[in-house]
Amino acid sequence: AQKITQTQPGMFVQEKEAVTLDCTYDTSDQSYGLFWYKQPSSGEMIFLIYQGSYDEQNATEGRYSLNFQKARKSANLVISASQLGDSAMYFCAMREYYRDDKIIFGKGTRLHILP
Amino acid sequence: KAGVTQTPRYLIKTRGQQVTLSCSPISGHRSVSWYQQTPGQGLQFLFEYFSETQRNKGNFPGRFSGRQFSNSRSEMNVSTLELGDSALYLCASSLTGRTNEKLFFGSGTQLSVL
Repeated sequence: AQKITQTQPGMFVQEKEAVTLDCTYDTSDQSYGLFWYKQPSSGEMIFLIYQGSYDEQNATEGRYSLNFQKARKSANLVISASQLGDSAMYFCAMREYYRDDKIIFGKGTRLHILP
Repeated sequence: KAGVTQTPRYLIKTRGQQVTLSCSPISGHRSVSWYQQTPGQGLQFLFEYFSETQRNKGNFPGRFSGRQFSNSRSEMNVSTLELGDSALYLCASSLTGRTNEKLFFGSGTQLSVL
């Protein structure tokens, strides 16, 4: 069963607009961590943001914020004021603290920022 | 501070051969993990090493193996290559490999099996 679902294979967004990338996850573990990574065409994955399952506040890192809705098992990434350099693949990932501790990635969303 | 370095950047091999990929983590990082990325299967965890010991392993056949040296550098080996092993192989490092630690990735090795 797929544990991380990213339903948007591709998105086109106008520069300076905000964009939300969807991510839902499935786990029976109470303790887990959720990550977002960006992969530009160079191939190197870049960490964006982390949310722990017990964190009460939504995580923020500069222009990135994570809209964490635990009951709905959703961890959407919000990028405010998008820039041309945000064009890349975005991966949502999860690590379960006790069950497995292996990081699992979603299939990714290809984001295109239009000038 | 130098990032994660993977060598070589590109590799072309034929079926049945074996290949060794190298990864040098960020200085001070003791955990190294490996991932396979393909268009069909996406990003999949291969294994993780910490202090020269394999701490976790993904669902890959025994043809995929790895090791870590005392300086935290890691190598990954694939024996008896198959066409389906063509992929981008990414290495990542972190300080201790704790679950909430962010990973620092290298640029990957693009392996093509002909």
